[in-house]
Amino acid sequence: DAGITQSPRHKVTETGTPVTLRCHQTENHRYMYWYRQDPGHGLRLIHYSYGVKDTDKGEVSDGYSVSRSKTEDFLLTLESATSSQTSVYFCAISAPPANYGYTFGSGTRLTVV
Amino acid sequence: KQEVTQIPAALSVPEGENLVLNCSFTDSAIYNLQWFRQDPGKGLTSLLLIQSSQREQTSGRLNASLDKSSGRSTLYIAASQPGDSATYLCAVQDSGNTPLVFGKGTRLSVIA
Repeated sequence: DAGITQSPRHKVTETGTPVTLRCHQTENHRYMYWYRQDPGHGLRLIHYSYGVKDTDKGEVSDGYSVSRSKTEDFLLTLESATSSQTSVYFCAISAPPANYGYTFGSGTRLTVV
Repeated sequence: KQEVTQIPAALSVPEGENLVLNCSFTDSAIYNLQWFRQDPGKGLTSLLLIQSSQREQTSGRLNASLDKSSGRSTLYIAASQPGDSATYLCAVQDSGNTPLVFGKGTRLSVIA
């Protein structure tokens, strides 16, 4: 999607290793989000950020940490990857109080073996 | 806690039919509601955004309505085409500062 990119697009990693996913935006939006998507569960919020160095937990934050040192980048780290973290991860951005909704990235497919 | 439900989970229709996808939410005091489309293996594409003060939004063959008092939204697709086959997701935001809450989606198949 224009203005928001995720990297890598695909990754296979081993159980117990740390993994970092990157979300980069060029829209200067204040809010950034990480969701995971799993069959039968839909999209669930992991963490979100409402400004540089300002983050909060979502409903499935255990085992994940995030960092935002500048407006354009939001990093998601799996501290010690487990097979239950095999999923598709989506980043999104929004710009309240402007009510234009969310824009999503193309996703990262992560497989933990 | 806001919960969003989409019914049906899957739908198969012949080409040319008009169809309605349903979305319901538990807390009616919402900020906005957004409909997305997701093709297999792809990301989410925003279709329509309805702000809390609005009753409906239209884009081409798509029309989304919002009834906050009953906690419901519908996505109407006119004259369906095979290219409309995708999963349609409904999501609700309770305030400008709270994250979107998603339903599990309706998987639509339009048969030529």
